Amino acid sequence: DTGVSQDPRHKITKRGQNVTFRCDPISEHNRLYWYRQTLGQGPEFLTYFQNEAQLEKSRLLSDRFSAERPKGSFSTLEIQRTEQGDSAMYLCASSFGQGVNEKLFFGSGTQLSVL
Amino acid sequence: LAKTTQPISMDSYEGQEVNITCSHNNIATNDYITWYQQFPSQGPRFIIQGYKTKVTNEVASLFIPADRKSSTLSLPRVSLSDTAVYYCLVGEWGLTGGGNKLTFGTGTQLKVEL
Repeated sequence: DTGVSQDPRHKITKRGQNVTFRCDPISEHNRLYWYRQTLGQGPEFLTYFQNEAQLEKSRLLSDRFSAERPKGSFSTLEIQRTEQGDSAMYLCASSFGQGVNEKLFFGSGTQLSVL
Repeated sequence: LAKTTQPISMDSYEGQEVNITCSHNNIATNDYITWYQQFPSQGPRFIIQGYKTKVTNEVASLFIPADRKSSTLSLPRVSLSDTAVYYCLVGEWGLTGGGNKLTFGTGTQLKVEL
């Protein structure tokens, strides 16, 4: 168990550019989540996968955001035409869904700065 | 998901016991209470989860009164490394197809000093 891995750890981009983040969950975890966290706030839910199926998306996830989890393993989160308001920490978490005892394991996140 | 209220910050000294209380007046029958810890530049880490009465693990204890409208996270003999943000979450986990859409508040910033 190597934990949830996210890449890159930091990303600086110019407004209008596209960015893509990658998340490698703990192996055999069937659920994968994306969250966004801004300074001084708690993480906010963005979207969730069960295996390769994206089952829910938050209203926070505008049409500039897209997430995929091909083959139910790693996941990518892409932001198109980035805006300064997209600057945040993007966190990935995975779990092995076990009903009420489900625990989420978070990665260290990708810090995005949009200039 | 039930809304939670917890203190914005708390200060303590090494070796002290720290109790962080969370209010969740509209908790639902099927809701569980979960606490996460977050250090700077890291993702949250699960600490403890409970439904009622008392739960204890190697890290902390969670006290939940009979009405379940509040809960208290107890950290015994804190050290400098316990300085972190602690989040209290209430919700119904693991429903079929529902996932675990944790709703984090702003948390409690615990600062431990020598």
